[in-house]
Amino acid sequence: ELKVEQNPLFLSMQEGKNYTIYCNYSTTSDRLYWYRQDPGKSLESLFVLLSNGAVKQEGRLMASLDTKARLSTLHITAAVHDLSATYFCANHGGAGNMLTFGGGTRLMVKP
Amino acid sequence: DTAVSQTPKYLVTQMGNDKSIKCEQNLGHDTMYWYKQDSKKFLKIMFSYNNKELIINETVPNRFSPKSPDKAHLNLHINSLELGDSAVYFCASSQVRISISNEQFFGPGTRLTVL
Repeated sequence: ELKVEQNPLFLSMQEGKNYTIYCNYSTTSDRLYWYRQDPGKSLESLFVLLSNGAVKQEGRLMASLDTKARLSTLHITAAVHDLSATYFCANHGGAGNMLTFGGGTRLMVKP
Repeated sequence: DTAVSQTPKYLVTQMGNDKSIKCEQNLGHDTMYWYKQDSKKFLKIMFSYNNKELIINETVPNRFSPKSPDKAHLNLHINSLELGDSAVYFCASSQVRISISNEQFFGPGTRLTVL
């Protein structure tokens, strides 16, 4: 059974600080996804990582994938309040293109 | 235009009732999905469906059944609702090809409350 683990599950940080969210998964997979969810809202796609060594950046967020270590990271640079949300990683390794999600990281950025 | 839409947004019902949630996508995708998000925010796949194949997560009770009248719609029917079915249900869709990202796009969610 494919397992996806995120840590930390909760992260409170000050504006301007840097931090990294980690996503470990249990089986080989060619794709890793990061999503953002605001309270009471849907999931918004942030990054799709398709190969070992892939790195993508959008604003203050940067995601990377190491398929050999079965690890993806989401790095936050100089956090701002607007980044407060829950971030999910998901691994595409099941039948039918189904995604297995990590438990989510709830990020709170304090002014 | 909304890419993936769901109705209703909120659904409150009694235990034992049967209910349906509708999902439509206008992205021309060939695969649609249903996910359940519980009160702790854990997301779990329930079904994956394209016009050829339905794949069911083995943990889903058979009271849940997806119904697809056409490629753009995948409705979720739930029989004999139980308290534990209370959750937010998300529909999603993607275009499945080996050479592309297969990125899934999510609907706004339906919050189901069973009393």
